[in-house]
Amino acid sequence: NAGVTQTPKFQVLKTGQSMTLQCAQDMNHNSMYWYRQDPGMGLRLIYYSASEGTTDKGEVPNGYNVSRLNKREFSLRLESAAPSQTSVYFCASRPGLAGSGQYFGPGTRLTVL
Amino acid sequence: KNQVEQSPQSLIILEGKNCTLQCNYTVSPFSNLRWYKQDTGRGPVSLTIMTFSENTKSNGRYTATLDADTKQSSLHITASQLSDSASYICVVPNAGNNRKLIWGLGTSLAVNP
Repeated sequence: NAGVTQTPKFQVLKTGQSMTLQCAQDMNHNSMYWYRQDPGMGLRLIYYSASEGTTDKGEVPNGYNVSRLNKREFSLRLESAAPSQTSVYFCASRPGLAGSGQYFGPGTRLTVL
Repeated sequence: KNQVEQSPQSLIILEGKNCTLQCNYTVSPFSNLRWYKQDTGRGPVSLTIMTFSENTKSNGRYTATLDADTKQSSLHITASQLSDSASYICVVPNAGNNRKLIWGLGTSLAVNP
């Protein structure tokens, strides 16, 4: 099992450009999440998906959109990137079992100039 | 306001020594508390999840304790190894909602030879 994979690993954008961060998991998990991690702050939830076909806003959803394409894939789109979106983005998935933790991908380091 | 606070912010120990990391939370209602390990440049990895009724839980050389009365948890690392160098993050679901987690800022541990 590859676990949770994310692409790309690094990306540099100019202000106003758009891009999609890809995430896939091969563990048959129902729930998937997108977080951002910034220096001096804990991980913050952007969006999550409890199951295929459903998505919900997290703590910091502004400027982002998501798509749960199928059970495996959960993408995050920045329509018009801003310097404030410079961050490390993590995708995670979680099985439906009570007491189970989240499994994280390796992250995407995004810089917006 | 529901919060998770960790101490110390950073810690340096010699290989083979033990150490204890602290987590205080003010989240209510409480459902569970999680400890994650995050290596530099990687996503967090779940170490333990403790529910209200659990006082102690071990995962190899990692032992977590929970005092739900004082709202404190600790993570004890025994016989530290160089590979233990990482950030250790305490996480508590916000108001018992497992989909919305409050992430602490972490304790950065450096194990030196």
